[in-house]
Amino acid sequence: DAGVIQSPRHEVTEMGQEVTLRCKPISGHDYLFWYRQTMMRGLELLIYFNNNVPIDDSGMPEDRFSAKMPNASFSTLKIQPSEPRDSAVYFCASTYDSYYGYTFGSGTRLTVV
Amino acid sequence: AQSVTQLDSQVPVFEEAPVELRCNYSSSVSVYLFWYVQYPNQGLQLLLKYLSGSTLVKGINGFEAEFNKSQTSFHLRKPSVHISDTAEYFCAVSDPGNQFYFGTGTSLTVIP
Repeated sequence: DAGVIQSPRHEVTEMGQEVTLRCKPISGHDYLFWYRQTMMRGLELLIYFNNNVPIDDSGMPEDRFSAKMPNASFSTLKIQPSEPRDSAVYFCASTYDSYYGYTFGSGTRLTVV
Repeated sequence: AQSVTQLDSQVPVFEEAPVELRCNYSSSVSVYLFWYVQYPNQGLQLLLKYLSGSTLVKGINGFEAEFNKSQTSFHLRKPSVHISDTAEYFCAVSDPGNQFYFGTGTSLTVIP
């Protein structure tokens, strides 16, 4: 089992550019979560999916953020246009039941300059 | 709604000394409780979890935690820390809806 796979590991982009972060959950996990981690705000839940359907997107900061899960093995988090305050580490996690806990990916460190 | 409070944001401790990282939660329903560890530049790894049964649970790397329902606490302990235990530790609670609620984290620094 390769675990939760995120790409890229690091992303540096200029303000105003579109950024797409990718996540491949563990096979069989039907819950997928996107988190953002910053020093100031800690871990924030942005959105989560169950069976590819967005269940709660109340944590998405604003309309510049969007997330999709076109199939059970792939999800994207898109920021358009990006701003310096979006700089953070973005984590993807998956599970098939909270009884087992979440499995986290290694994260994508986003820097917007 | 659930909430998790980690009472100490930073805990410095000397190598081979014992440590306790405190966690309190609030919930009106039965929940599962977890501790995660995050090493620098890495994702979060599951350290241990409490689901039911014995209130003392053991995890990886010599850590253990005790569930106290009356005090709504789930404190993490290790009798003797190593330099390699330096990391960020997160307490989390999950509700029946499979959503996790994380604490703000405790930075453990082990001093040689």
